[in-house]
Amino acid sequence: GIQVEQSPPDLILQEGANSTLRCNFSDSVNNLQWFHQNPWGQLINLFYIPSGTKQNGRLSATTVATERYSLLYISSSQTTDSGVYFCAVLTNAGKSTFGDGTTLTVKP
Amino acid sequence: EADIYQTPRYLVIGTGKKITLECSQTMGHDKMYWYQQDPGMELHLIHYSYGVNSTEKGDLSSESTVSRIRTEHFPLTLESARPSHTSQYLCASSEWGLKETQYFGPGTRLLVL
Repeated sequence: GIQVEQSPPDLILQEGANSTLRCNFSDSVNNLQWFHQNPWGQLINLFYIPSGTKQNGRLSATTVATERYSLLYISSSQTTDSGVYFCAVLTNAGKSTFGDGTTLTVKP
Repeated sequence: EADIYQTPRYLVIGTGKKITLECSQTMGHDKMYWYQQDPGMELHLIHYSYGVNSTEKGDLSSESTVSRIRTEHFPLTLESARPSHTSQYLCASSEWGLKETQYFGPGTRLLVL
């Protein structure tokens, strides 16, 4: 099946810093989503981004489908950004596969 | 965001008991999913459904079963719970088609003693 790899696995930032999270996938995909899982376990949908670039406030994402990667940018990070960030891809077979996640800790 | 609900939110149960985790969504989504997630780990797809009377197994082998009798309802059943089933179970739904954005419920944390 498709492999989804996220990097880095862990990231510690000072409040106000910027960061880039990466998601590589091993095969062509129909769509890609970025999620934020908060400390209570709730998965929040950040972006649906099979290709191109989208922005939502301090967050933006870019997917280059032909090169099989996606990037999530967080600018001016805040402590509330802490949690685990997952990317998930959907293949032609209709199954979704999640990456291992990046655990982000933003310190005040 | 889609409205998707899971009950119970937390469940502690003894080995050998039968349990059903409920998942309902009010957005009319055709596709629904069940994932299993251990603390701090990735999500693993265990079941999904394209619509009523459709159920498919995911990538992670699971002793659970699912049913899809109504569009809005996708319950997951464990016939005989074991400590190895202790985990968080997350339900999601999406439209079926070009834009399959998944929306997640709050999850059920299961502890089997």
